[in-house]
Amino acid sequence: DGGITQSPKYLFRKEGQNVTLSCEQNLNHDAMYWYRQDPGQGLRLIYYSQIVNDFQKGDIAEGYSVSREKKESFPLTVTSAQKNPTAFYLCASSAAGGRWLRFYYGYTFGSGTRLTVV
Amino acid sequence: GESVGLHLPTLSVQEGDNSIINCAYSNSASDYFIWYKQESGKGPQFIIDIRSNMDKRQGQRVTVLLNKTVKHLSLQIAATQPGDSAVYFCAETKIQGAQKLVFGQGTRLTINP
Repeated sequence: DGGITQSPKYLFRKEGQNVTLSCEQNLNHDAMYWYRQDPGQGLRLIYYSQIVNDFQKGDIAEGYSVSREKKESFPLTVTSAQKNPTAFYLCASSAAGGRWLRFYYGYTFGSGTRLTVV
Repeated sequence: GESVGLHLPTLSVQEGDNSIINCAYSNSASDYFIWYKQESGKGPQFIIDIRSNMDKRQGQRVTVLLNKTVKHLSLQIAATQPGDSAVYFCAETKIQGAQKLVFGQGTRLTINP
């Protein structure tokens, strides 16, 4: 089955430590996204990538970094510069726009990674 | 824009009743809209979508209504069940040009027994 996989499901980070969240998709989607969700709040875009080896900052990119070396993978690193990293992180993918033969232009989401600072 | 510091609006309905969740979208140029359902601790899941050339679309127990004049989207859930308890997000985009989805703030729906 095609899908998008995030790992780990739970992650604990010590103060001053960098951690990397994994996101892998086998949907052959061009675009991938990272969102942050805080309790009782909506989705905020961290980074997105519409093609391999290219990515753009979202609304809250400070303290985060990404890479897109392969179409299937879009890992997110939460750096020590991110002062309040405790949150639920969601990865998503989508076929790039302009695919007129496709009806669904939305995102497929992973199941999320819950990051906690200890 | 961001919803930093804002908490999700809430809606409580009795099991078996119909519920209506509303969303105001921001871009009059958007031509594709989606409703997602997010259960606690999980990623959002697709419920139903609609293009701007339609004003109504029905799925199983769900109906989406689009009013482009006032930039308003609504999700109607018929005969609500306990499993419908979740946070519901609307999202908008313009299909051409690989535009990003813009998500609404979300509404937390609680089904009371």
